[in-house]
Amino acid sequence: GQQVMQIPQYQHVQEGEDFTTYCNSSTTLSNIQWYKQRPGGHPVFLIQLVKSGEVKKQKRLTFQFGEAKKNSSLHITATQTTDVGTYFCAETLNFGNEKLTFGTGTRLTIIP
Amino acid sequence: SAVISQKPSRDICQRGTSLTIQCQVDSQVTMMFWYRQQPGQSLTLIATANQGSEATYESGFVIDKFPISRPNLTFSTLTVSNMSPEDSSIYLCSVRLYNEQFFGPGTRLTVL
Repeated sequence: GQQVMQIPQYQHVQEGEDFTTYCNSSTTLSNIQWYKQRPGGHPVFLIQLVKSGEVKKQKRLTFQFGEAKKNSSLHITATQTTDVGTYFCAETLNFGNEKLTFGTGTRLTIIP
Repeated sequence: SAVISQKPSRDICQRGTSLTIQCQVDSQVTMMFWYRQQPGQSLTLIATANQGSEATYESGFVIDKFPISRPNLTFSTLTVSNMSPEDSSIYLCSVRLYNEQFFGPGTRLTVL
C-alpha cells in the first residue's frame, strides 16, 4: 500500500528560526496536500500541489513538489508562536480520488 | 468553505458498549469520510460513506465493528461497536469541497 514518510517527527525551534518538514513517498504521486493541526484541533487544509517541481507560497510558508513527484517540503520562514502544531502531508491515490493517505506528521514547537 | 459539526464532541464509555457519532455538513456532498486519529498519531481512513450505497471500508476496518449510515447528502453516522480500550481515539468526519478537504472538530472517545 501507499506509504508516506515525514521527517522530522518533532522539531523544536527558537521563535524567529526557520523550519522545514519533508514528505517522501514510495510511489509517484498525482498530487500532494498539506495540513496543519493545532494542538487539540482538527486538520486544516493549507494547499495542494499538482505539478512536477511546483512551488507555492503563502506568506511565510513555501511549499514545494519534487520534480519526480515523489517528495514534497514545507518551509516556514521566521517562525512565530502561531505556527505551533503538527504539519501533515497527504496524498491521494490518483487525481480525483478523494481518499487521503496522511503522512506521519511533524510536530513543531516554538521556544519563545 | 464547508462547516462540519460532530456530536458528541467527547465521550467516556465502558468497554463492550457502542457509541454512535453524528456528522452534519452544511453542503451537499457525494462522499463523506471517516478518519481515526489515535493519541499522538496521524490520521487513518476508516471508510468512505456514499449516499445511496454501502460504505467502503479500508483494510483493517470492518462493517460489523464500524457500521456507517448515510441517509442523505449532508449527514452521516459512524458507530463504534463493542468498544475496547484500543478504540480510544479521536474520530473525525471529512468532506471534499471546492478542491479542499474539510474536517469536523472530531469526537474524542475514551473507553474504560
